[in-house]
Amino acid sequence: AQKVTQAQTEISVVEKEDVTLDCVYETRDTTYYLFWYKQPPSGELVFLIRRNSFDEQNEISGRYSWNFQKSTSSFNFTITASQVVDSAVYFCALGRGSTLGRLYFGRGTQLTVWP
Amino acid sequence: SAVISQKPSRDICQRGTSLTIQCQVDSQVTMMFWYRQQPGQSLTLIATANQGSEATYESGFVIDKFPISRPNLTFSTLTVSNMSPEDSSIYLCSVVGAGGAYNEQFFGPGTRLTVL
Repeated sequence: AQKVTQAQTEISVVEKEDVTLDCVYETRDTTYYLFWYKQPPSGELVFLIRRNSFDEQNEISGRYSWNFQKSTSSFNFTITASQVVDSAVYFCALGRGSTLGRLYFGRGTQLTVWP
Repeated sequence: SAVISQKPSRDICQRGTSLTIQCQVDSQVTMMFWYRQQPGQSLTLIATANQGSEATYESGFVIDKFPISRPNLTFSTLTVSNMSPEDSSIYLCSVVGAGGAYNEQFFGPGTRLTVL
């Protein structure tokens, strides 16, 4: 069975602090995909990143970075120097290689960045 | 990335009525899906919208309650039938394979449905 756990329900930080959002996944598939999405208060789901199971390179995009570790089945997301506009719910999701589009979502982490 | 639009963006409906939600993509896509996000919850896949054939439903979702159409590669509709307050959710269209971005998955802006 596929499962995604985001243990942090809510996180509050002050602007300019770094924050890491945790994501742990479970799957027996050898080919799978991991995603992060941002859902601001307006409700739309914004795509942030997709990683393949066979690519463990960490990725950095501006203030965002992702740490993928297959050994611990984790795909953590770090925001450096957080800003108020980063306030949103962040979802981690798992997709199976055999069935594109069928994503299994975590429960989300509500991040609040205070000025 | 694909530009995905949904209509309506929000609606308030009476119990027992039906609402049809439209999803339009600005380019042909490989696959289209419908997800539901109940208040304060995560997203759950309702079904895969198959072009020219019946949709493939996930466990717990049935065609009579959520009929889906996909007449071409850029358009799909989801109907929420015989609504009850428990159907109050955000309904999101999702696409894979837009603009040649194989494996990239994007979501529409969502339709906020409130059933009284």
